[in-house]
Amino acid sequence: DQQVKQNSPSLSVQEGRISILNCDYTNSMFDYFLWYKKYPAEGPTFLISISSIKDKNEDGRFTVFLNKSAKHLSLHIVPSQPGDSAVYFCAVMNYGGATNKLIFGTGTLLAVQP
Amino acid sequence: NAGVMQNPRHLVRRRGQEARLRCSPMKGHSHVYWYRQLPEEGLKFMVYLQKENIIDESGMPKERFSAEFPKEGPSILRIQQVVRGDSAAYFCASSQDRMGQPQHFGDGTRLSIL
Repeated sequence: DQQVKQNSPSLSVQEGRISILNCDYTNSMFDYFLWYKKYPAEGPTFLISISSIKDKNEDGRFTVFLNKSAKHLSLHIVPSQPGDSAVYFCAVMNYGGATNKLIFGTGTLLAVQP
Repeated sequence: NAGVMQNPRHLVRRRGQEARLRCSPMKGHSHVYWYRQLPEEGLKFMVYLQKENIIDESGMPKERFSAEFPKEGPSILRIQQVVRGDSAAYFCASSQDRMGQPQHFGDGTRLSIL
């Protein structure tokens, strides 16, 4: 029972264009959402997060959008750079719940072509 | 300014042996989380510990797996009588407190079972 879904296993974009990565979740109790980036043989690196009281959070080239009614979040990277090529995981949690465990999606492999 | 340190980075065991994975959280962090990533899958939560306490072990297999985070020293994830299916990357993350986000990850231990 996959609570967090990233339906695109891979995405290829040209350098300088926008990358849009999508994530869907099933449980409306989740109220804090994060994106991590992962290179091979390394651990996930935190990118950006958003709480359910907001619908947008921006940090430099990265913007996360949250649509609570659709239980959908997306990560926009603009402009995309070759160094952005990595696997991107969305993660969700119930902030302030009994446990702060993260539930991860299966990841999207982003390839930015020079 | 060390991040989360995990060792060993690679561990090879034969079926039936024991595996011990160590995690030292970031300085000032007293909350540790263990996640497992099987091939072609996302990270899955295993256990959440605070110093000397297990807070949530809902993701831990019922047998052969145990975790501890003693008052002094690193957190240890212990797998007894390993089987082929235990082959995975095991990641540790830490946070400053229960509400502290994001969780910061180490580079993982890649466990291979012969």
